[in-house]
Amino acid sequence: TQLLEQSPQFLSIQEGENLTVYCNSSSVFSSLQWYRQEPGEGPVLLVTVVTGGEVKKLKRLTFQFGDARKDSSLHITAAQPGDTGLYLCAGYTGTASKLTFGTGTRLQVTL
Amino acid sequence: VTQSSRYLVKRTGEKVFLECVQDMDHENMFWYRQDPGMGLRLIHYSVGEGTTAKGEVPDGYNVSRSTTEDFPLRLLSAAPSQTSVYFCASKGTGNNSPLHFGNGTRLTVT
Repeated sequence: TQLLEQSPQFLSIQEGENLTVYCNSSSVFSSLQWYRQEPGEGPVLLVTVVTGGEVKKLKRLTFQFGDARKDSSLHITAAQPGDTGLYLCAGYTGTASKLTFGTGTRLQVTL
Repeated sequence: VTQSSRYLVKRTGEKVFLECVQDMDHENMFWYRQDPGMGLRLIHYSVGEGTTAKGEVPDGYNVSRSTTEDFPLRLLSAAPSQTSVYFCASKGTGNNSPLHFGNGTRLTVT
C-alpha cells in the first residue's frame, strides 16, 4: 500500500520556469522529509518539516507541510539544470524509525 | 553507507547476497527496493544489533543484524520479479534524523 502519492510523476521544463511538486496522503505524519536523487546515487535529504503549516526555504526551493500534516509541497523558483533529478517525499508515521517514501517526481530542466 | 556491488546479474533460482556496511554507528538500518514509478519500498529494517523487522515487501528476502555495522540482504532463490535497484540506508537516533543511503545495487534476474 502506497501511503504517499506524488504529482506530477514527470515534469520537463525550461530553465527559469517555476514549478510545484505535490505529496499527498490520507495518513497523518509526525514529520515529513524531502530527498533528491541523482542517477546512480542514493537519495540525499533536502529538508525536514515537522509542524503543520510549516514553511522552509532552501535557496530557490520552498517546502510546505500541510496544516493537517497529511500533505506537503515543494516549489522551485527559476529552475536550473542543476535541479534535475528525482524528488521524493517521505513521512514518519507511528513507528519513528520507519520512513515511508512517496512515488517520486522526476524533474528535467533544460536550457 | 557502503554497498560493495553496483551491478549484479543472476539467474532464476540462484542465491543472492547484498552487502551493506555503515561506519556511523547508527542503530537503525534499512533495505529498500526502487522500481520505476513506485518510489522506494521498504523490504526489511533493523532498529539495533540483533533485531530485524519486516517492511512493506519482505517476501523472498532475508536479513540479519549480527553487528551494528553490517546489515546484509539475502535472496534465497532469485526471481525475475526481484529485478530492481536495491538501496541500503542507515539512520541515527532521533525522530527526524535523515536516512543516509548507499549508492545502490542494480540486480537483474534472468
